[in-house]
Order: sequence, then C-alpha cells, then structure tokens
Amino acid sequence: NAGVTQTPKFQVLKTGQSMTLQCAQDMNHEYMSWYRQDPGMGLRLIHYSVGAGITDQGEVPNGYNVSRSTTEDFPLRLLSAAPSQTSVYFCASTKSANSPLHFGNGTRLTVT
Amino acid sequence: GQSLEQPSEVTAVEGAIVQINCTYQTSGFYGLSWYQQHDGGAPTFLSYNALDGLEETGRFSSFLSRSDSYGYLLLQELQMKDSASYFCAVHTGRRALTFGSGTRLQVQP
Repeated sequence: NAGVTQTPKFQVLKTGQSMTLQCAQDMNHEYMSWYRQDPGMGLRLIHYSVGAGITDQGEVPNGYNVSRSTTEDFPLRLLSAAPSQTSVYFCASTKSANSPLHFGNGTRLTVT
Repeated sequence: GQSLEQPSEVTAVEGAIVQINCTYQTSGFYGLSWYQQHDGGAPTFLSYNALDGLEETGRFSSFLSRSDSYGYLLLQELQMKDSASYFCAVHTGRRALTFGSGTRLQVQP
C-alpha cells in the first residue's frame, strides 16, 4: 500500500527555472493539498483540491500552479523558481473534510 | 483568516507528563487535529476533536473547548522517541487544514 507518493525527493533549481513536483495517491481520496514547510515553521497551505477538476488557492499560492485531471494525481508547478521558494513541500490527501491527512515524504527543494 | 498559537518549545524528562496548548482564531470551526513530526520526516496524525472534551488514544490525549477556542495535547509516560514537533491544526470546512507553527518537544533522560 503506497499511500501518498511524492517525486522527486530532492531537487536543486536555478532562479527562473520551472519544474513540476509530482504527487500521487492510491487511496481513492477526493481531497488533496500541497503545503510548504520552512525551517522552524508550520505547514502553510499552497493549493488544494476537493476532487478531479476542482482546485482552490490556499494561504501562499503565488508562484505555483496546480491541476487535478484525475483523482490520483495532483502535481504542483513552479512557474519561475525564486530563492524564496526554497522549502520542503508536502503533498497530502484525505477521504473527507474531517478525516486525517495522509502525507507524502516530502520534496526538498533548493533554489539558487 | 485563521491563526493558531502554540508554544515554540517544551522540555520534559522521560516518564513525565507534558501538555502542549493551542489557541486558535478562525471562522467556520469544525474541529482541531494534532500531528507529530520527527526531524526529517512527514507529519503523522495523532488525534482529532470535533466536540468539547477529552479524547484518549493510548499515552496521548487531546482536549478541546470550543467556547474558549482552546485545545491541548497531553502526552503521558514520556519516552525518548516522543521528541518531535507537534502541530495543532484547525478544520474550517474548506477541506484543507490550517496548521500552527509547531511545538518542539525535547525529552531528556
């Protein structure tokens, strides 16, 4: 049972480059979300989705795009990477609004 | 918007009891969750309170007072492996949680 799978685990980008962080879940969860975590801080919500074809912005959406074409996948795109986007990114899924979040293992991104 | 306050750091000794408090300000409150995160790891779910009162799961308990916008996580019989960061998070019905900044618990021998 894979749960939530994030790739890559580590990534280094130069300023201005674009990339996509992948997230897939095999639990048939409707709800998926992306968070970023900076050192010594909590998780801040970037974007979330309540089902295929439906996405919405979180607290810190600027510089990121998402799409949800299938229930399983929720990729996060960095349009033009900036040093301020250096962070650990976590994808999570859940079956309902009040159910526990299942997190992936994270992607550690450095932008130079 | 939502805001959550929790202490940044707590230190306790093995075998002791520790309480981590969380106060929140939010609209459309549905419940309060707690997550544990070890260094370098992903957050994992500990407990959820939708109603006032105490929920117990083994050595961990969580309490909620909706009228006071306050909750706490109680860890009993502390073990070294409990050293981690603990996050409270509010459910607001938007179907994505808002997290506090976390409390780093250090358990000393």
